[in-house]
Amino acid sequence: DAKTTQPTSMDCAEGRAANLPCNHSTISGNEYVYWYRQIHSQGPQYIIHGLKNNETNEMASLIITEDRKSSTLILPHATLRDTAVYYCIVRVARRGSYIPTFGRGTSLIVHP
Amino acid sequence: DADVTQTPRNRITKTGKRIMLECSQTKGHDRMYWYRQDPGLGLRLIYYSFDVKDINKGEISDGYSVSRQAQAKFSLSLESAIPNQTALYFCATGGGGPIHEQYFGPGTRLTVT
Repeated sequence: DAKTTQPTSMDCAEGRAANLPCNHSTISGNEYVYWYRQIHSQGPQYIIHGLKNNETNEMASLIITEDRKSSTLILPHATLRDTAVYYCIVRVARRGSYIPTFGRGTSLIVHP
Repeated sequence: DADVTQTPRNRITKTGKRIMLECSQTKGHDRMYWYRQDPGLGLRLIYYSFDVKDINKGEISDGYSVSRQAQAKFSLSLESAIPNQTALYFCATGGGGPIHEQYFGPGTRLTVT
């Protein structure tokens, strides 16, 4: 699975959009981009995933560049409850021996 | 009710004691995982199981063992606890389909004195 690089920390004003970048320059054509978040000491929570097209759900939007070497998770109207560590993971989506791994992620602080 | 439950939620034990952490899930997933998290670090995989008869070591399995008693239950044991096993432990499940996001339990905070 491709390696990802994320900034260690970011901050955002409440009500503004939070844009969290992820670099995955070695991504392969069949690898998906997944995002999870972990709110202080709770279990990580799945947010969204995508392959090529931009994706949106009730939690966030995922923008993947055309060359797929980077992506951005967008929280359109950040709230204080969005303060968390956000993990970007790249992996092949297939049946079989997928072993999910989590790096250190980006610590997002949403301030009033 | 939570999809993935862990017991106990907090535990303090002494060096050398045997301790078991338990995980149950109602997602109906085949795959279950145990991770540990140390302050400021990401999650590290201890053991994982793709079905009841399948047990695999993760990157940090030394000092730990697991038992998959049923599809819904996956327990983690520390045979002889040591202080550097003090950490936050998470159980997770995952479906076996092509898009298998994981669902995590609330965590067990273990302190070994």
